[in-house]
Amino acid sequence: SQQGEEDPQALSIQEGENATMNCSYKTSINNLQWYRQNSGRGLVHLILIRSNEREKHSGRLRVTLDTSKKSSSLLITASRAADTASYFCATAPSGAGSYQLTFGKGTKLSVIP
Amino acid sequence: GAVVSQHPSRVICKSGTSVKIECRSLDFQATTMFWYRQFPKQSLMLMATSNEGSKATYEQGVEKDKFLINHASLTLSTLTVTSAHPEDSSFYICSARTGAGPQHFGDGTRLSIL
Repeated sequence: SQQGEEDPQALSIQEGENATMNCSYKTSINNLQWYRQNSGRGLVHLILIRSNEREKHSGRLRVTLDTSKKSSSLLITASRAADTASYFCATAPSGAGSYQLTFGKGTKLSVIP
Repeated sequence: GAVVSQHPSRVICKSGTSVKIECRSLDFQATTMFWYRQFPKQSLMLMATSNEGSKATYEQGVEKDKFLINHASLTLSTLTVTSAHPEDSSFYICSARTGAGPQHFGDGTRLSIL
């Protein structure tokens, strides 16, 4: 079952602004990952944050994880038109067999030039 | 590195036809491959997990006889949609991983059954 829930479902911003997407989940996790999907394409892995980490950076991306609230956020700074895509969080459960990912419903980001 | 090639990218065929989709890891050995299905504006739903040389593990509600998965080598897995019907129309995506590494995704296959 889908346990990751992103919000907002859709987000439209001007180029140069920051975009923040949130993800909530229900069960214990080993790690949480964020992916990007351009329309009609496969997924591109953006960043992975482990359950014992609270924040992680990669270029213009900043991810936070709050395991007490079972939530994560993805911040894209200084957005560009090329950032327009759908963004999904995916959780890997803790324990054996943690290789399976459960995806959220995604946030569709539109960056207006 | 870590490129996954999925073929074909788009298939349009008549109802009752069987369709095979290939997923190849080009520069690494994939001990595990995953098949997902994605409906428009929806998330990815895991259909099955396959390990090289063994039978695939299907998720609840996925028909094994409908969606045949073969993972005969460390670089190739195939998904065959047998006797496809319009309700099988969807976007199918595979991913591959080696050991405990991250999943690398193919570009997906858009299947349209008329």
